[in-house]
Order: sequence, then structure tokens, then C-alpha cells
Amino acid sequence: SAVISQKPSRDICQRGTSLTIQCQVDSQVTMMFWYRQQPGQSLTLIATANQGSEATYESGFVIDKFPISRPNLTFSTLTVSNMSPEDSSIYLCSVVLARDTQYFGPGTRLTVL
Amino acid sequence: GENVEQHPSTLSVQEGDSAVIKCTYSDSASNYFPWYKQELGKRPQLIIDIRSNVGEKKDQRIAVTLNKTAKHFSLHITETQPEDSAVYFCAAEGGADGLTFGKGTHLIIQP
Repeated sequence: SAVISQKPSRDICQRGTSLTIQCQVDSQVTMMFWYRQQPGQSLTLIATANQGSEATYESGFVIDKFPISRPNLTFSTLTVSNMSPEDSSIYLCSVVLARDTQYFGPGTRLTVL
Repeated sequence: GENVEQHPSTLSVQEGDSAVIKCTYSDSASNYFPWYKQELGKRPQLIIDIRSNVGEKKDQRIAVTLNKTAKHFSLHITETQPEDSAVYFCAAEGGADGLTFGKGTHLIIQP
């Protein structure tokens, strides 16, 4: 397995501001994803973070709102832009370590006031 | 795109009894089906998975079955224990894509 870390673990932000979440893995991985888990809900895929190219976004998510960077095979960032209270969620990164098997980071709990 | 339905949303069983959670999926191209357990305030943890070339997989008290024709798969937990209490998510994946999750089942183990 691998160690996956996220920063920050939680934050409280004012509406209209932006927050950048970092995901770091202790080994090189090809596939990396970002998910959102709204309070009491399931996980929803936001995008695939592609190394060296633009992220691939799922329906309902756009680059202007959730810009993603993937500068190398161990690191990615997700920015939540121009936040509103509806963006209050847990944001999780995941990595594929072997075949299709995905493992999740500890998550970033975001509260927007 | 893929759609995953999960039932029941809440399941309460007596300690020592078995629990079964069922999921259906819509995309016949999906070929990987993991199950995650999420305890309160923690990240989802992979507990078992199955691929489309296998009908059943077992790991101690946990088993998963897959029926590709009917497009459904199930999680079976035997001899349930208090530490099995959590939210369980099924998911499906059809390639180099992310996972599509079911809505989750809150499993409650009654002492």
C-alpha cells in the first residue's frame, strides 16, 4: 500500500474565497482522482487528475470552479473557487495502486460560511 | 454514464447474524466492483473487490458475489460483530475511469 496525505485536514472559509487542497502520495502513481462527499451523502467523482495535461471533469463539474493541477506522479491539488455554503463537503483524493484498486486520502473537511 | 443503485439504505442486524447488501449497475462495460467501509469521520476503506471474470470472492467473514448477466453484485458479512457497524458503499468502474458509488448502507449491529 501507499501513504496518502492531504492538506489541510479541515478549514472554515468565507464565501467568495478560494481554497487549494493538496494530495501527496509516497510513491509514484499513474491514476489520481478527486471526489466530493457532501454531508451524509455518498462520494461523487469530480475529475481525473492527469499528469502533464488538463484534468478530465465529470458532468456537473467545471474547470473554472474546480481547477486541478498534477505536476508529477506523486502530487495533485484541487482548488475550490469562489466558494458558497453549498461547497461545504469533504474532498477526497484517491490513487490507483494496483490494477483498478483505489485507495483514498484522509479527506479535507471544508465548511463555507 | 454508469448508475449504481444500492439497497437497503439502513440495515440493522443482531450481533452474530449475517448481513447482505445489494447493488445493481447500469453499464454492461463495467468490470470492476469494489466495496468500501466508512466509519464516522474516517476515509472509505476498501474491504473487498471483484472483477467481472469472477463470480464470487471470499475473505474471512466477508464475501462478494457478482452476476454480470443481471448486472448486480452483493456483499455478504457473516457472524457480524459490533466493529462491523459503519456505512458501506458499493461502486463500479468501467476502465481507466473513476468510480461510481452507490448511496451507501448504514449497517447497525445490535448487541
